[in-house]
Amino acid sequence: GENVEQHPSTLSVQEGDSAVIKCTYSDSASNYFPWYKQELGKGPQLIIDIRSNVGEKKDQRIAVTLNKTAKHFSLHITETQPEDSAVYFCAAGRSSGGGADGLTFGKGTHLIIQP
Amino acid sequence: DTGVSQNPRHKITKRGQNVTFRCDPISEHNRLYWYRQTLGQGPEFLTYFQNEAQLEKSRLLSDRFSAERPKGSFSTLEIQRTEQGDSAMYLCASSLLQTHTPGEQYFGPGTRLTVT
Repeated sequence: GENVEQHPSTLSVQEGDSAVIKCTYSDSASNYFPWYKQELGKGPQLIIDIRSNVGEKKDQRIAVTLNKTAKHFSLHITETQPEDSAVYFCAAGRSSGGGADGLTFGKGTHLIIQP
Repeated sequence: DTGVSQNPRHKITKRGQNVTFRCDPISEHNRLYWYRQTLGQGPEFLTYFQNEAQLEKSRLLSDRFSAERPKGSFSTLEIQRTEQGDSAMYLCASSLLQTHTPGEQYFGPGTRLTVT
């Protein structure tokens, strides 16, 4: 089955700086890679996703890159703000025909934005 | 609120009791997923439905767990003879099966189960 590794487990950055979270996956059949943000006491919130036919995707201060050959994908947050503080999860799964199977998640990165 | 809803939000039960959780997906979403999340870990996939059909079950889903989605709308997850190891957050997600989209999964707030 799929295995997703995520690093680092904790990341502390100064407000305004950039944050990068990295993940690797093992199953070459995975073609869908979403990122979720989870705040205390809440369910995961989808913030951005990428499919394997694309190398990079951007949405305002958030970008995701994918290296299919190396089976790496990364989340980049620029100009970090206090409200970015949360736990971030990467995930991998198979998507076909307009739907995805069950996702395999990494263990999460606790992002702390220092004022 | 048009998001995924889950009830109850919290459940405390004694070991050996049965519990049932309910998930109401986003309206018209035809796929519904169940995940389990323990403290400090990412969600782990349990099972998912497309309409009323259960399409995939994880090996994490022991015989004591059963999920249903009888009319293709809300779903229930039942755990029989609960054990302390079942203590976790049970998350539900839904997605819309639609051509040319990856099938983004949107999560509910979860049901936190504590088995004493």
